[in-house]
Amino acid sequence: GAGVSQSPSNKVTEKGKDVELRCDPISGHTALYWYRQRLGQGLEFLIYFQGNSAPDKSGLPSDRFSAERTGESVSTLTIQRTQQEDSAVYLCASSPHAIPSGNTIYFGEGSWLTVV
Amino acid sequence: GESVGLHLPTLSVQEGDNSIINCAYSNSASDYFIWYKQESGKGPQFIIDIRSNMDKRQGQRVTVLLNKTVKHLSLQIAATQPGDSAVYFCAEAQGAQKLVFGQGTRLTINP
Repeated sequence: GAGVSQSPSNKVTEKGKDVELRCDPISGHTALYWYRQRLGQGLEFLIYFQGNSAPDKSGLPSDRFSAERTGESVSTLTIQRTQQEDSAVYLCASSPHAIPSGNTIYFGEGSWLTVV
Repeated sequence: GESVGLHLPTLSVQEGDNSIINCAYSNSASDYFIWYKQESGKGPQFIIDIRSNMDKRQGQRVTVLLNKTVKHLSLQIAATQPGDSAVYFCAEAQGAQKLVFGQGTRLTINP
């Protein structure tokens, strides 16, 4: 498809398990963002990739969270030893520009994670 | 955290009325601001943006106002329609930096 694709769309996991969330950005987009959105709340920045620059990981809440991106392709967000407070929608966005321009930042529909 | 993890404030307006949604941003060095609309179960969608060298920008039925003195941003929606019901977020950025989202507001349009 032409948009940002995220998978899985829904994931239920047991507390303590590891999960991996995937984001396929729009082809050619150099910038990629991950955000977390808890139910009824705002978007919390997690990590930002821009081309081959070192990612901005300043939003990762703990060392249980990590993300990888190879070049300008797919990104994976990994949560180790999941906790109930990790339950949220994880949103990915991509942009063709390093400098943000709102009308060129495209969000996926998110991966809903429920930790039971 | 960089975004406010609070329960969303709500705003209800009658269909056809104008609405104003407010946002306080955190970084005085931010030079770019965006308003997004998020419908249930979907990712945020771009509405309108403004750079710090402006204090007002208009789109179709929407106007964004920027007050850098008090670090305040507002979104005005004219002649609201049922389809305007959603959560609205402001976001800020400084240069080639990450987008940081502000507190969202849930807007409900009453028929």
